Amino acid sequence: NAGVTQTPKFQVLKTGQSMTLQCAQDMNHEYMSWYRQDPGMGLRLIHYSVGAGITDQGEVPNGYNVSRSTTEDFPLRLLSAAPSQTSVYFCASSRTVTNSPLHFGNGTRLTVT
Amino acid sequence: KNEVEQSPQNLTAQEGEFITINCSYSVGISALHWLQQHPGGGIVSLFMLSSGKKKHGRLIATINIQEKHSSLHITASHPRDSAVYICAVRGYGGSQGNLIFGKGTKLSVKP
Repeated sequence: NAGVTQTPKFQVLKTGQSMTLQCAQDMNHEYMSWYRQDPGMGLRLIHYSVGAGITDQGEVPNGYNVSRSTTEDFPLRLLSAAPSQTSVYFCASSRTVTNSPLHFGNGTRLTVT
Repeated sequence: KNEVEQSPQNLTAQEGEFITINCSYSVGISALHWLQQHPGGGIVSLFMLSSGKKKHGRLIATINIQEKHSSLHITASHPRDSAVYICAVRGYGGSQGNLIFGKGTKLSVKP
């Protein structure tokens, strides 16, 4: 049982480049979400999804796109990377939107130069 | 004012001590999560609460909905408990998908 799989673990981008962070879960979870973690800021929600075909914005959505074409996958796209997007990114899922524990991926450390 | 406040920010304890970490929030919630982030960066879920008290091994979590406050207790602390403990709250209705996090409490347990 793989749980939540995030790739890559590390990435370095130049300003203006695009990339996709991958997140997949094999637990048939309804809820999936992306967070960024910055020093002194705690975790902040970027985007979330409550099911295939349904996504919504969190606290800090600007500069990021998501889609949920299948239950399993929830990729996060950076369209034009900026140094302000240097952060550690976590994907998490839970069986239902409410009243279910969260399962986190191992994180992606992204540096934008 | 942050919607989720944790205290203390940093905590150093001797092995065996009883530890309490507090979380206060200002919004109505449907659930509260306690998470543990290890020094290597991985995050695991410890508890999810909507009322009362839960216990798992040496960890106890309580929540008082009326006072908008939750506590995480660690009994007989051990150096392997050293980690950052994070409180997160989930709202009601249309904001159910939205999780708001505290900034975390960094715990260091000395042998």
